Amino acid sequence: AQTVTQSQPEMSVQEAETVTLSCTYDTSESDYYLFWYKQPPSRQMILVIRQEAYKQQNATENRFSVNFQKAAKSFSLKISDSQLGDAAMYFCAYRSPVTGANSKLTFGKGITLSVRP
Amino acid sequence: DTGVSQDPRHKITKRGQNVTFRCDPISEHNRLYWYRQTLGQGPEFLTYFQNEAQLEKSRLLSDRFSAERPKGSFSTLEIQRTEQGDSAMYLCASSSWGGDKITVEEKLFFGSGTQLSVL
Repeated sequence: AQTVTQSQPEMSVQEAETVTLSCTYDTSESDYYLFWYKQPPSRQMILVIRQEAYKQQNATENRFSVNFQKAAKSFSLKISDSQLGDAAMYFCAYRSPVTGANSKLTFGKGITLSVRP
Repeated sequence: DTGVSQDPRHKITKRGQNVTFRCDPISEHNRLYWYRQTLGQGPEFLTYFQNEAQLEKSRLLSDRFSAERPKGSFSTLEIQRTEQGDSAMYLCASSSWGGDKITVEEKLFFGSGTQLSVL
């Protein structure tokens, strides 16, 4: 079974600064997908960024980028130019390849990010 | 608004009572998932449907839990004889799955959840 570990329960960043959220995972599969989700106080999970394990290039979405280290099974999220609206819980998630099976996600425990004005 | 909607948003019940939650997915989505999220934890998979068929159930889903998706549209999750350990947020997500092929484009859209408190 796959596991996802987020060991930092909380982090804080100054507005406009850069912050990195850590995530490690364990799997015996060679192909898989990794995600970062944001959960604001409204509780709705929002997809931030995703990474295919077979791609060596790190995914980037505007101010959000990842550092994917497949050998180390590490998947960190970097948020640049932090904004007050980035304050939320962030979850790292793993998904096996979808080949007719369901695409259920395995989530980490999450990290609470606060942004200081 | 054409997102995933869940009802009710909050539910308080006494131990031993039955509760039912509803999820309305995005209309053209054929897959629907239920997750449970307890305080300080990430969501955990409970079950999922493809159209009206329930294709997988987690071991977390005890005999007191039952989920349905009649006609492949909305879904209900019922908990019978609730226990204090059932207190959690129940999240629903839907997606459009295009067939038997590997794809990362199956994007899950989540609702805002139903917060259950069992007293």
